Amino acid sequence: EAGVAQSPRYKIIEKRQSVAFWCNPISGHATLYWYQQILGQGPKLLIQFQNNGVVDDSQLPKDRFSAERLKGVDSTLKIQPAKLEDSAVYLCASSPFGGNSPLHFGNGTRLTVT
Amino acid sequence: DQQVKQNSPSLSVQEGRISILNCDYTNSMFDYFLWYKKYPAEGPTFLISISSIKDKNEDGRFTVFLNKSAKHLSLHIVPSQPGDSAVYFCAAGGSNFGNEKLTFGTGTRLTIIP
Repeated sequence: EAGVAQSPRYKIIEKRQSVAFWCNPISGHATLYWYQQILGQGPKLLIQFQNNGVVDDSQLPKDRFSAERLKGVDSTLKIQPAKLEDSAVYLCASSPFGGNSPLHFGNGTRLTVT
Repeated sequence: DQQVKQNSPSLSVQEGRISILNCDYTNSMFDYFLWYKKYPAEGPTFLISISSIKDKNEDGRFTVFLNKSAKHLSLHIVPSQPGDSAVYFCAAGGSNFGNEKLTFGTGTRLTIIP
């Protein structure tokens, strides 16, 4: 089974610029998550999709972050404008619908904002 | 408000000995718990889980123990192998239908000394 694919692996931008990350979940997984992991901390949930609908975006800074999951498959996460404190690894994860099934993570995108 | 805590940032263990990683939580609504393992430049990978109806779950060299009254869980690895060197994250979730939101701890870096 192919894993969760993310791109790019690394991105360096200046503050106030915009950036977008892409995620392709495991085929057939209805639930998709974006997590932010700041250095020295555990992953923090930004947004959760069930198919193409948002289940939880309570921790997404909506003034600068946006995410979409068109057709219930691929997803993009955008930051505009970026701040220095957005420097982190952005992890995408997916899981089958229902139950307490473990999340399958991609390798993440490391964002550095200068 | 750190609801899931891993108070030991790092741990070193001799190869062949037992590794014990600890995790404490504060939210009594959590009813399932997972351990993830993370190598550098990769996403976390699922290791083992436990439901609150159990107090122990075993999978090969890995055993997770849950003490609900103390709101504490631990991961035992025996015998420890060099390939076990990684960062280990404890995660907790509640069984709200359709919401598999996980809260992660800050991680413990385990180093196995050959």
